[in-house]
Amino acid sequence: KQEVTQIPAALSVPEGENLVLNCSFTDSAIYNLQWFRQDPGKGLTSLLLIQSSQREQTSGRLNASLDKSSGRSTLYIAASQPGDSATYLCAAALSGSARQLTFGSGTQLTVLP
Amino acid sequence: DGGITQSPKYLFRKEGQNVTLSCEQNLNHDAMYWYRQDPGQGLRLIYYSQIVNDFQKGDIAEGYSVSREKKESFPLTVTSAQKNPTAFYLCASSLRQVGSPLHFGNGTRLTVT
Repeated sequence: KQEVTQIPAALSVPEGENLVLNCSFTDSAIYNLQWFRQDPGKGLTSLLLIQSSQREQTSGRLNASLDKSSGRSTLYIAASQPGDSATYLCAAALSGSARQLTFGSGTQLTVLP
Repeated sequence: DGGITQSPKYLFRKEGQNVTLSCEQNLNHDAMYWYRQDPGQGLRLIYYSQIVNDFQKGDIAEGYSVSREKKESFPLTVTSAQKNPTAFYLCASSLRQVGSPLHFGNGTRLTVT
């Protein structure tokens, strides 16, 4: 069964810093990988979805990469802002079935003004 | 605005009572999902539905039931058989199954005492 790990569980950085969030998965035969943002007490907001045939996706200050051979995805946030403070979760899909989508437990990011 | 609406935001029930959580979407998505989120854990799939009048069990379906009588609605009933029902419940939808991005509602926090 796919396992998805996000380390560290929490991260604090000063405003303006570029940062990288990590997501590791055990089964490299993934179908796609999604990154989400969750604000306290709220649902998840989809940030980026990378298909298995892609190496990276970009949206604004966010860039997500996928390296299937090493079982790793990273989310790069450029020029961080206090409004980026949230929990970031990744989810790896082994196929198109919802039964094979596994979420990590997230990294709680705090950007200090 | 298109989106997913979950109600109520907070729900309190006594042990032994069934309770139904509402989820409505106006995104015209075929697939809908129910997840449970507990502190420090990733999301776990309860039930999902690909089309009207059809639904499948997820990883933790015991003690829960669903219906999908309309495309836009996917209510979840937490029954008295669920041993540890206190949690944050998230409803999601996608245009098709996991190949497309998941869209989430803002969740319902259920407390059973």
